[in-house]
Amino acid sequence: EAGVAQSPRYKIIEKRQSVAFWCNPISGHATLYWYQQILGQGPKLLIQFQNNGVVDDSQLPKDRFSAERLKGVDSTLKIQPAKLEDSAVYLCASSHGGAGGYTFGSGTRLTVV
Amino acid sequence: GESVGLHLPTLSVQEGDNSIINCAYSNSASDYFIWYKQESGKGPQFIIDIRSNMDKRQGQRVTVLLNKTVKHLSLQIAATQPGDSAVYFCAENPSSGAGSYQLTFGKGTKLSVIP
Repeated sequence: EAGVAQSPRYKIIEKRQSVAFWCNPISGHATLYWYQQILGQGPKLLIQFQNNGVVDDSQLPKDRFSAERLKGVDSTLKIQPAKLEDSAVYLCASSHGGAGGYTFGSGTRLTVV
Repeated sequence: GESVGLHLPTLSVQEGDNSIINCAYSNSASDYFIWYKQESGKGPQFIIDIRSNMDKRQGQRVTVLLNKTVKHLSLQIAATQPGDSAVYFCAENPSSGAGSYQLTFGKGTKLSVIP
């Protein structure tokens, strides 16, 4: 089965610019997650979707971050405006909802300069 | 507060030896735990999981031990190989109930295998 696809793989932007990341989950996976992984740390949950609805976005900095999953499949995560501390790898994961753990994509490495 | 940043705990082992990676989790209500392996430039990859009603689970070359009394999880890798070199994360699910799997990750341990 195809894995979780993410693009772009790398992105370098200046602070105060905007950026968007795209994720295509495994076919049939209803649950989709965005995680932020700062260098040297474990991933931190930003937002969880169930189909096209938000389950939990309590850790999403909503003044600058937004995410959507309009048709319950692909998802985009946007940052506007970016700050230096947003430099991280943004990981997308999907799950069928069972206890087997998530499948992660390879992530998008964002560098804000 | 706890120091965070670039300084991951590191474990160096000789190829062929057994590795033990430890993790302390924070939430006594967590009911599900997973170990992930993350290689450079890749997303975390599922290794093995365990539910809170078990204290040991074995996979191929890997064993996870859970001690709920002291909130401790360990991953044992038998006959460690160079391909096992990676950062290993434990993750806990602090929510109960079906379908609410929101994993909280630990800081990670970097395993280096010496050929």
